[in-house]
Amino acid sequence: NAGVTQTPKFQVLKTGQSMTLQCAQDMNHNSMYWYRQDPGMGLRLIYYSASEGTTDKGEVPNGYNVSRLNKREFSLRLESAAPSQTSVYFCASSESWLAGETQYFGPGTRLLVL
Amino acid sequence: AQSVAQPEDQVNVAEGNPLTVKCTYSVSGNPYLFWYVQYPNRGLQFLLKYITGDNLVKGSYGFEAEFNKSQTSFHLKKPSALVSDSALYFCAVRDRDTNAGKSTFGDGTTLTVKP
Repeated sequence: NAGVTQTPKFQVLKTGQSMTLQCAQDMNHNSMYWYRQDPGMGLRLIYYSASEGTTDKGEVPNGYNVSRLNKREFSLRLESAAPSQTSVYFCASSESWLAGETQYFGPGTRLLVL
Repeated sequence: AQSVAQPEDQVNVAEGNPLTVKCTYSVSGNPYLFWYVQYPNRGLQFLLKYITGDNLVKGSYGFEAEFNKSQTSFHLKKPSALVSDSALYFCAVRDRDTNAGKSTFGDGTTLTVKP
C-alpha cells in the first residue's frame, strides 16, 4: 500500500496564478483532510471531507476550494494564489470521522508563491 | 473550543538519557489525545494515542505518554533517547464528547538528541 500520496511535491507560483494539489489514499478511508503547516504554527485545518460526497470548512478556508472526487481522491484548489499561501500542504485520511481515529498523512507539497 | 500547548519549542537531550516532551490541552468535553512525529521533509507519522482506559499509553519506537486529567497533560516520554529520535513532535487533541474528527495540533517541539 502506498498510503497517502500527494502531487506535486514542490511548486512555485506567481501571485494570481491558480493550481490544484492532488491527494489520493489507497486505504479505503472514508475521511480526508487538508492542512497547511507554517513555521512555529503547527498544522491548521483548511478543509475536510468526513465522507464521500461531503466537504466542510476548517479553520483557515479562505482562498481555497476542495473537491472530493471519489472515495480515494481529495483535491485542493487555489484559484488566485497569494504570497500568504506560501506553505507546506499536507493531506491526511482516517478510517472514519469518529474522534478516536488515527490520521495518516501524505509526504506534503511545498508551495512557494512569489 | 479546544486547544493544545507545547510549552517548549526545543528539547535537547543526550543519547541514552530519558526524554520528555510536554503537552497540555484544553477541551470542552473529554479528550482524545495523539502524538505524531515528523522527520525532515516528511509527513507526520502516528506515534500513540489515548482513547480510554489505562492512563499510560505505549506506542511506536519505545515511546510512551501519560494522560493526567487533573493536570490536563499528555507528556511524551522515552526512557533512553536515541540520536534517531531527533525530529519534530506534535501533540493533538479531539473532543470525545462531540465525537468529531477535527483535530487541534500544538505548534510542535523540536527534539534534538546528541551523541
